[in-house]
Amino acid sequence: QVTLKESGPGILQPSQALSLTCTFSGFSLSTYGMRVSWIRQPSGKGLEWLATIDWDDDKYYNPSLKSRLTVSKDTSNNQAFLKITSMDSADTATYYCAWSCGAHGDFDYWGQGVMVTVSS
Amino acid sequence: DVVMTQTPVSLPVSLGGQASISCRSSQSLVHSNGNTYLHWYLQKPGQSPQLLIYRVSNRFSGVPDRFSGSGSGTDFTLKISRVEPEDLGDYYCLQSTHFPPTFGSGTKLEIK
Repeated sequence: QVTLKESGPGILQPSQALSLTCTFSGFSLSTYGMRVSWIRQPSGKGLEWLATIDWDDDKYYNPSLKSRLTVSKDTSNNQAFLKITSMDSADTATYYCAWSCGAHGDFDYWGQGVMVTVSS
Repeated sequence: DVVMTQTPVSLPVSLGGQASISCRSSQSLVHSNGNTYLHWYLQKPGQSPQLLIYRVSNRFSGVPDRFSGSGSGTDFTLKISRVEPEDLGDYYCLQSTHFPPTFGSGTKLEIK
């Protein structure tokens, strides 16, 4: 059974960097084909894919945000991480991590999401 | 980026009735390997999205057969028959054929 859970600061000030953790169970991010992705959703709005890290430590970023994003993982502790620099009010959103298998995979399982507010 | 256009934005339905949601892409979603990576999600109020249909027409584990997906190329449809209260929420399509993956803007299924 795959489960994921996001954690993060909740609120931060403009220009600060956001660091999020996705703690998961039911799979290993060192197993061939496994991927963890990050997706966000501003309140009342749609979904935006941000980044993906895979079992082989390959990383994929949304070109529109690439300069600000960094994904990483800690395989031994079943965690994945997302860092976003220079946060702005436009980055206020619920951030999700999700599991998929293989390139072009759908996001089969999602975490509950963590709400992040950027405000001075 | 591939633009995914969902219609309608809002869909009032009667319980027990049928609903149909359209998703059109700005370019063909047929990958060079022959697969079409178009998926459907339901986001219930206050919850995270859940996968309903993957690769156009395959129901995910535990999804009732009231949900069906169809389509090809750039034109796709999600149909829900015998709508139940638990089906209400926001529906999104997702394409993962082309990089970056992109979502439709959503369709809100609500009670008439």
